[in-house]
Amino acid sequence: EAGVAQSPRYKIIEKRQSVAFWCNPISGHATLYWYQQILGQGPKLLIQFQNNGVVDDSQLPKDRFSAERLKGVDSTLKIQPAKLEDSAVYLCASSPVGPSYEQYFGPGTRLTVT
Amino acid sequence: QQQVKQSPQSLIVQKGGISIINCAYENTAFDYFPWYQQFPGKGPALLIAIRPDVSEKKEGRFTISFNKSAKQFSLHIMDSQPGDSATYFCAAPGAGTALIFGKGTTLSVSS
Repeated sequence: EAGVAQSPRYKIIEKRQSVAFWCNPISGHATLYWYQQILGQGPKLLIQFQNNGVVDDSQLPKDRFSAERLKGVDSTLKIQPAKLEDSAVYLCASSPVGPSYEQYFGPGTRLTVT
Repeated sequence: QQQVKQSPQSLIVQKGGISIINCAYENTAFDYFPWYQQFPGKGPALLIAIRPDVSEKKEGRFTISFNKSAKQFSLHIMDSQPGDSATYFCAAPGAGTALIFGKGTTLSVSS
């Protein structure tokens, strides 16, 4: 079974530029999550999708972050404009239908904002 | 919002020793309490999880002990090996099915 795929793996941009991350979850997984992991901390949820719909985006900085999950499969997370404090690893995870503590994480995208 | 407090921040254990990581939570209405393991450059991976109606769960060298009255659960790694060197996160369910993670414990097992 293929795991969660993410791209790019690394990205370096200057502040005020925009950037987009892509995630392809495990086939059949209805729930998709984007987490932000700052160096030395645990992952923090940014947004959760159930199929096409948003379940929780309460911690997403909506003035600069946006995310979509078209057709209930792939998802993109965008930052525009980026700030220095956005430097982090952006992790995508997916889980099967229903309440699940078992989430499958991708390798993440390491973003450096200079 | 639910907080999950994890300790210690870092841990050095000799090969063959026991590694113990602790986690405290606030809310009690959860179904499972998982531990995740993360190696450098990789995403976290589920290691083991426990239900709150069970006091202990063991899988191989990994054991979760759960103390409901104290709102604490801990991870014990028996016969620690260099390959166990990683960062460990406890987690508790947040809104929906998302997880709230602790800050992590970096374990180094010396050979």
